Amino acid sequence: DAGITQSPRHKVTETGTPVTLRCHQTENHRYMYWYRQDPGHGLRLIHYSYGVKDTDKGEVSDGYSVSRSKTEDFLLTLESATSSQTSVYFCAIMPAEGARETQYFGPGTRLLVL
Amino acid sequence: GQNIDQPTEMTATEGAIVQINCTYQTSGFNGLFWYQQHAGEAPTFLSYNVLDGLEEKGRFSSFLSRSKGYSYLLLKELQMKDSASYLCAFYNNAGNMLTFGGGTRLMVKP
Repeated sequence: DAGITQSPRHKVTETGTPVTLRCHQTENHRYMYWYRQDPGHGLRLIHYSYGVKDTDKGEVSDGYSVSRSKTEDFLLTLESATSSQTSVYFCAIMPAEGARETQYFGPGTRLLVL
Repeated sequence: GQNIDQPTEMTATEGAIVQINCTYQTSGFNGLFWYQQHAGEAPTFLSYNVLDGLEEKGRFSSFLSRSKGYSYLLLKELQMKDSASYLCAFYNNAGNMLTFGGGTRLMVKP
């Protein structure tokens, strides 16, 4: 257990509404990641953070923004949700920098955009 | 560019051995990970290879050939609980990011 929680765990929303997903960690890890997982595409990186207020884009960042104002929280926002953003969203942490470091995943959030 | 490929589905029999292959292309390669993911759950770490050769961990082993851009995960003495998706991912430390394949769904039958 890497001390990662995600909230909400399930959400149904309507097209055009804003949605914020939260990832919370308890162990002050520097690196945090947001992925989405869709059938046929595997896990794809949306955004990641390497410290408070330090974030960067991943492979599929369009339509998403992130914020990290505290070490323990990494927020993912869909400014105006679309049906193509229906997915399972996973947060991950990496305990330290370096090639030998493993990413550990939170339990996931299932988002349905109607 | 960079990409990573693995078979979509495999089926094997309880008690048997199965090998799941993964091929990749990238610059700045710095390690290959395997994760297991049961349906409806988060991925969990299985193994990591950065040097060529075989890493054994109980019933699971992982192999890497950097010159061929190739890895495999070997599962021995298959059990029903091994039915899951297996994800390979390479680590490119230009950005501390993992790039994942689409996953291989393994079904173990009695």
